[in-house]
Amino acid sequence: AQSVTQPDIHITVSEGASLELRCNYSYGATPYLFWYVQSPGQGLQLLLKYFSGDTLVQGIKGFEAEFKRSQSSFNLRKPSVHWSDAAEYFCAVGAPGGYNKLIFGAGTRLAVHP
Amino acid sequence: DTGVSQDPRHKITKRGQNVTFRCDPISEHNRLYWYRQTLGQGPEFLTYFQNEAQLEKSRLLSDRFSAERPKGSFSTLEIQRTEQGDSAMYLCASSSLTGGITEAFFGQGTRLTVV
Repeated sequence: AQSVTQPDIHITVSEGASLELRCNYSYGATPYLFWYVQSPGQGLQLLLKYFSGDTLVQGIKGFEAEFKRSQSSFNLRKPSVHWSDAAEYFCAVGAPGGYNKLIFGAGTRLAVHP
Repeated sequence: DTGVSQDPRHKITKRGQNVTFRCDPISEHNRLYWYRQTLGQGPEFLTYFQNEAQLEKSRLLSDRFSAERPKGSFSTLEIQRTEQGDSAMYLCASSSLTGGITEAFFGQGTRLTVV
């Protein structure tokens, strides 16, 4: 069965520091991969997605992610974190069927210290 | 376009009561999804509509839950005889029917509290 693991429940970084959020997936075929961000009490906003092609994908708000098939990973990175990046981040994989039945990880809550 | 709209944003109900939530997707989107998110967890898929047809239902969707999309536009999710375990955020999303998986846009959700 498909699954997504986000090993870090909470991460705290200082403003201006670099960030890497980990995501590992289990999937039987070429996956569609997504990162979403959720601010408190809000819905989900798509940061970036990977369908095929270049394994390094750029997203909004200065985020990027790298797909590594050999490691079944899709880690999210940002070179310099801003206080406004504090939120919960979810990695998701697109399940078979050709539509957006997404399987989400449990999320990583990011705190940013000034 | 104002995005995916959900109503109400918050609902507090007594155990055993019925509740109904509404979702208005982005107007040109013919795919609509419902997810449930409990505290500290990621969203879990509940059901999927393509136009007015409900094409998939998760095993999470017990017989107390029913979803409709009568004219292929807005959708409703009804929970009958609510239980405390139904307390969660219910998220609606929509996407377009153009060639496989595209971006799903999420609403802000309806937070249900069953007391």
